[in-house]
Amino acid sequence: NAGVMQNPRHLVRRRGQEARLRCSPMKGHSHVYWYRQLPEEGLKFMVYLQKENIIDESGMPKERFSAEFPKEGPSILRIQQVVRGDSAAYFCASSQNTEAFFGQGTRLTVV
Amino acid sequence: DQQVKQNSPSLSVQEGRISILNCDYTNSMFDYFLWYKKYPAEGPTFLISISSIKDKNEDGRFTVFLNKSAKHLSLHIVPSQPGDSAVYFCAASGASSNTGKLIFGQGTTLQVKP
Repeated sequence: NAGVMQNPRHLVRRRGQEARLRCSPMKGHSHVYWYRQLPEEGLKFMVYLQKENIIDESGMPKERFSAEFPKEGPSILRIQQVVRGDSAAYFCASSQNTEAFFGQGTRLTVV
Repeated sequence: DQQVKQNSPSLSVQEGRISILNCDYTNSMFDYFLWYKKYPAEGPTFLISISSIKDKNEDGRFTVFLNKSAKHLSLHIVPSQPGDSAVYFCAASGASSNTGKLIFGQGTTLQVKP
């Protein structure tokens, strides 16, 4: 009964490169959420997806960030042309009419 | 615009005593509240929740109290144990049917001393 799986756990990118973060929800969960935690802050909602649909992207930066949850495979959070300010912990959560369960996160470091 | 606030960044209590973590919110449309616990380098773990139609929910050592008129909730842990040492996040949702889109507080670091 695997929980929410995120990979990689740690990701280092140089400024200007692309970062791809993956999230496999818990079995039976069709709702996926992405959150970002900056240092010394709480988690901030970014985007809510269901299979093949973006339901709410009100927390996503307008540029360089995108997310998808294809019919097959994990959800992907993609950050293009990363900058130092993108360095943070990115958490994925899934739910199915229950409380949200979180993955262990991906810590992105931009150098 | 911090809609959910945890005004105490840290709290230290002795093992066996009660830990009380506080949380205030500003949006009266919130109708579902949750507490998560987080260890370093791990994701948040759900602890306990409460709907706005209730004022108390209890689960073992953990009890959450909700005061709607004051827009305040608190988490009580009794008795506190050293393994409870972690960061505790209060979170709120505007739709109890969608509990994944959450507004989080900044967190309170709890240290339980043996």
